[in-house]
Amino acid sequence: DQQVKQNSPSLSVQEGRISILNCDYTNSMFDYFLWYKKYPAEGPTFLISISSIKDKNEDGRFTVFLNKSAKHLSLHIVPSQPGDSAVYFCAASRLNYGGSQGNLIFGKGTKLSVKP
Amino acid sequence: DSGVTQTPKHLITATGQRVTLRCSPRSGDLSVYWYQQSLDQGLQFLIQYYNGEERAKGNILERFSAQQFPDLHSELNLSSLELGDSALYFCASSVGRTNTEAFFGQGTRLTVV
Repeated sequence: DQQVKQNSPSLSVQEGRISILNCDYTNSMFDYFLWYKKYPAEGPTFLISISSIKDKNEDGRFTVFLNKSAKHLSLHIVPSQPGDSAVYFCAASRLNYGGSQGNLIFGKGTKLSVKP
Repeated sequence: DSGVTQTPKHLITATGQRVTLRCSPRSGDLSVYWYQQSLDQGLQFLIQYYNGEERAKGNILERFSAQQFPDLHSELNLSSLELGDSALYFCASSVGRTNTEAFFGQGTRLTVV
């Protein structure tokens, strides 16, 4: 049973445009969400996070939106740059519970290609 | 560079064998996490250690075990290897007990032939 789903395996965007990566989750107990970026031959790198008490968090070109009623979050990258081309993983956690429930549950990732 | 070091980067071994993967966390981090990424799969949480003690267990097979040493480095032991164990194994570390913003190593690619 996949608790965190990224239904788009890939996304192609033109440089300078907006990239929107989507993520759905099924467990309403998740209270903390993160996005990680991964380049080939490297480990995932933390990008941005959001607590369930918020609906938006912004960091430079990256904004994460959380819609708790729809159990949906999205990552917006504006403007997109060729260097953003990578695999993006959505992850969720039950931060306040700890133990194995507090660990990150990852989606399968979306490969973003930003074309010059 | 995340500050998390994993060795070896690549490992090829035969079925039935045993291997040990090593992880050195970032300086000051007390938690170490192990994840497995199989082909076309997301990262699956295996196990967490915090300051030398097992804190949480995920989908870790009985053939797999881990430990965290007094110097906080960790080892993941995989035994009686099967073809399906071929995967990328990532180690991550964080300061505290939760991996809200854990830092990942580059991974060890294990190939079982």
